Amino acid sequence: DIQLTQSPSSLSASVGDRVTITCRASQSISKNLNWYQQKPGKAPKLLIYAASSLQGWVPSRFSGSGSGTDFTLTISNLQPEDLAVYFCQQSYSTPPLTFGQGTRLDLK
Amino acid sequence: EVQLVESGGALIQPGGSLKLSCAASGFTLSTHEMNWVRQAPGKGLEWVSYISSSGSIVKYADSVKGRFTISRDNAKSSLYLQMNSLRAEDTAVYYCATTRGFYDGVGFYDVVDPWGQGTQVTVSS
Repeated sequence: DIQLTQSPSSLSASVGDRVTITCRASQSISKNLNWYQQKPGKAPKLLIYAASSLQGWVPSRFSGSGSGTDFTLTISNLQPEDLAVYFCQQSYSTPPLTFGQGTRLDLK
Repeated sequence: EVQLVESGGALIQPGGSLKLSCAASGFTLSTHEMNWVRQAPGKGLEWVSYISSSGSIVKYADSVKGRFTISRDNAKSSLYLQMNSLRAEDTAVYYCATTRGFYDGVGFYDVVDPWGQGTQVTVSS
């Protein structure tokens, strides 16, 4: 099974900051990498698919990049409503669905 | 509106059984692959089980193989998870979630979307 290593596990940032989260796959997965946002007490929501395509509800301050084994989620100009846990997920070889460990983003 | 609604979660004693249900609305369940994903308190997301659109192919995580059974009734737009021999480590919020293809302008890529709101399963004496 493909493993995903996400870092950091937690991150404190200030409003207006630029934040970067990385996700590394144990083998090449081309662009088959998705990002999800999960707010407290809620289900995960699809944020970015195919490494860099934003879902319709996602503000343009979010961006995704990468291919192969290394991927990045970037939030520029961090807003209070962006505080959440972010997960990466590979869709190259499923099932099983595999997720990164998650990155908890909170305010400094 | 596309929606998944889980039910059936409860407090159950170790060794007990529970059946979760997931009702779909706003889309044709019968054309979609489905999954159960769980999240233990304060932990990450763990895939539990998969079922193909027809129900002919099922897969399980090693942690639940032999104890859990996934099934679906497309006529009722419903997904199920029968959980037997429950253990404390099965305590989690259980989500049903759809696998479907999204087009990025070049090709189709599978995503997990939508997700239900989750149902709490607590295994404790």
